Amino acid sequence: GEDVEQSLFLSVREGDSSVINCTYTDSSSTYLYWYKQEPGAGLQLLTYIFSNMDMKQDQRLTVLLNKKDKHLSLRIADTQTGDSAIYFCAEPRRADSWGKLQFGAGTQVVVTP
Amino acid sequence: DTEVTQTPKHLVMGMTNKKSLKCEQHMGHRAMYWYKQKAKKPPELMFVYSYEKLSINESVPSRFSPECPNSSLLNLHLHALQPEDSALYLCASSQGGGGEKLFFGSGTQLSVL
Repeated sequence: GEDVEQSLFLSVREGDSSVINCTYTDSSSTYLYWYKQEPGAGLQLLTYIFSNMDMKQDQRLTVLLNKKDKHLSLRIADTQTGDSAIYFCAEPRRADSWGKLQFGAGTQVVVTP
Repeated sequence: DTEVTQTPKHLVMGMTNKKSLKCEQHMGHRAMYWYKQKAKKPPELMFVYSYEKLSINESVPSRFSPECPNSSLLNLHLHALQPEDSALYLCASSQGGGGEKLFFGSGTQLSVL
């Protein structure tokens, strides 16, 4: 399909791990991004992965990339209440060189005590 | 300085008003963007400026008029808006070129009465 797809909602208990999944569309995408949006705020670039990598780890965040299946995931270890937000995966749109991004619908993560 | 600053944070306007949204960045980025975001939806691209020239207009109605006075500033002039234009308007910037990261401001929440 033409859309970047994400599940819409994830509920997780504080201290557990969260895994947010995304399916993207363009196998030639060079970078894939995860953005975080807290209520009433703009989008914060959380992390990104270059397409020649399978995994990237940054403190509590782990990004996994499966190019064969065009599947991207974001794992948050030891999830905290401050991780409650909407998470968007994004890929550059085709044939574009000015950073136009195709966003997924966003996954709302709710962290419960 | 890694911030994109947007003013005002909130704006209420009538359908006959003229107002402007402002965006500023001092990261030396050469590409700047306007996005529109409805509640619980991903951002939608409106305009892209690269090297102070309008490079992309995503078929936005003429009641929205962008302006890029210099490489650090981006404005969005609003005139004769409709209630359905109520949304969060996000400014973003990037270095310029392919596949680079976008940095977003915190947005202007616009309500059109």
